[in-house]
Amino acid sequence: DGGITQSPKYLFRKEGQNVTLSCEQNLNHDAMYWYRQDPGQGLRLIYYSQIVNDFQKGDIAEGYSVSREKKESFPLTVTSAQKNPTAFYLCASSLAEGNTIYFGEGSWLTVV
Amino acid sequence: AQSVAQPEDQVNVAEGNPLTVKCTYSVSGNPYLFWYVQYPNRGLQFLLKYITGDNLVKGSYGFEAEFNKSQTSFHLKKPSALVSDSALYFCAVRLPFYGGATNKLIFGTGTLLAVQP
Repeated sequence: DGGITQSPKYLFRKEGQNVTLSCEQNLNHDAMYWYRQDPGQGLRLIYYSQIVNDFQKGDIAEGYSVSREKKESFPLTVTSAQKNPTAFYLCASSLAEGNTIYFGEGSWLTVV
Repeated sequence: AQSVAQPEDQVNVAEGNPLTVKCTYSVSGNPYLFWYVQYPNRGLQFLLKYITGDNLVKGSYGFEAEFNKSQTSFHLKKPSALVSDSALYFCAVRLPFYGGATNKLIFGTGTLLAVQP
């Protein structure tokens, strides 16, 4: 099936630990995005990438890092510098010139 | 500042009654407007979008939205609500040519729709 796959669905991070969330799409979309969702705050853009080997910071990039080595993959690393990482993380993708962004099913990250 | 507002945290409606979820925006230029729905513990699903043309846009699951440029609004509507419509609804606006990322979206804070049987 075509779509956007995020894994794992649930992830627990210890203090001082880096964790990586996976995002894979088989829609042949050029652009990919990472959003963070917190209750009452809507979605906020962390990073986005319009082409392979290129990415840009969004509104809340501090404490996060990404890579875009392949068109279909856009992993997000939550580093120990992110002081409040507990949230629901959503990966998305779109055609470069298209107008609609499509989302994956999301990943929950909890600090323990 | 560019922004999207959803003035109601929650909307309650009885099954079979019409529903409206409100959205207003403040953006320079001509924005593209979107509605998404989110069920518990799931990602966002695209419902409909306004790009240009007819101000009334029809989307998935019987939903529609009306673009009103003078009131800078894009309210989501459905003639007859179903219990299964209960979910979190997000309005979003795509900024025109924002920093080269033409698909960057700004989201409202969401409105929880509760449909009572």
